[in-house]
Amino acid sequence: EADIYQTPRYLVIGTGKKITLECSQTMGHDKMYWYQQDPGMELHLIHYSYGVNSTEKGDLSSESTVSRIRTEHFPLTLESARPSHTSQYLCASSDEIGDTQYFGPGTRLTVL
Amino acid sequence: DQQVKQNSPSLSVQEGRISILNCDYTNSMFDYFLWYKKYPAEGPTFLISISSIKDKNEDGRFTVFLNKSAKHLSLHIVPSQPGDSAVYFCAASAGAGSYQLTFGKGTKLSVIP
Repeated sequence: EADIYQTPRYLVIGTGKKITLECSQTMGHDKMYWYQQDPGMELHLIHYSYGVNSTEKGDLSSESTVSRIRTEHFPLTLESARPSHTSQYLCASSDEIGDTQYFGPGTRLTVL
Repeated sequence: DQQVKQNSPSLSVQEGRISILNCDYTNSMFDYFLWYKKYPAEGPTFLISISSIKDKNEDGRFTVFLNKSAKHLSLHIVPSQPGDSAVYFCAASAGAGSYQLTFGKGTKLSVIP
């Protein structure tokens, strides 16, 4: 069973605030990913990491940033939240590149 | 340009009958395909996958069929249960060396008791 955790599950915040979405996994996976999904739409990759100190941007442009200081932890930060950032953010991990990805429960972000 | 297409946004099926969810893709480099199930406000849950070297993979009530020449795959759920009601996403990967899963927009399955 995949063990990947995200906090908070829901967040409502005002414009201009700095936020960090947490993601942790206990599977020892090197590869981790952040996706963004709007209702009725496909998941879009915004960031990924091959391992510690490795981060890359995905295909969907995002104003967020990520860090990977520990294998198990892959937080996402928005320096100044805007209403256009309202979305669901999903974290995932995999054992190898191109392998099955396992997802966390997601964070539903609403920026007022 | 969508590389993975799920043309049916929704599907309703009676409990006990077969549910068939379809997915088409355009990128001939895709060689690994997955189905995920997603409930509202939760993350996708991996269901079943298939490699391009196979044309069928079965796991309990779930079977995925791959037709490479038609660039088409389908997920069969038999028998359908009310707990199967969710959004189903098809995803594809170009395999080893490809970091990305490309997702379809999903099909919402409703299983009617």
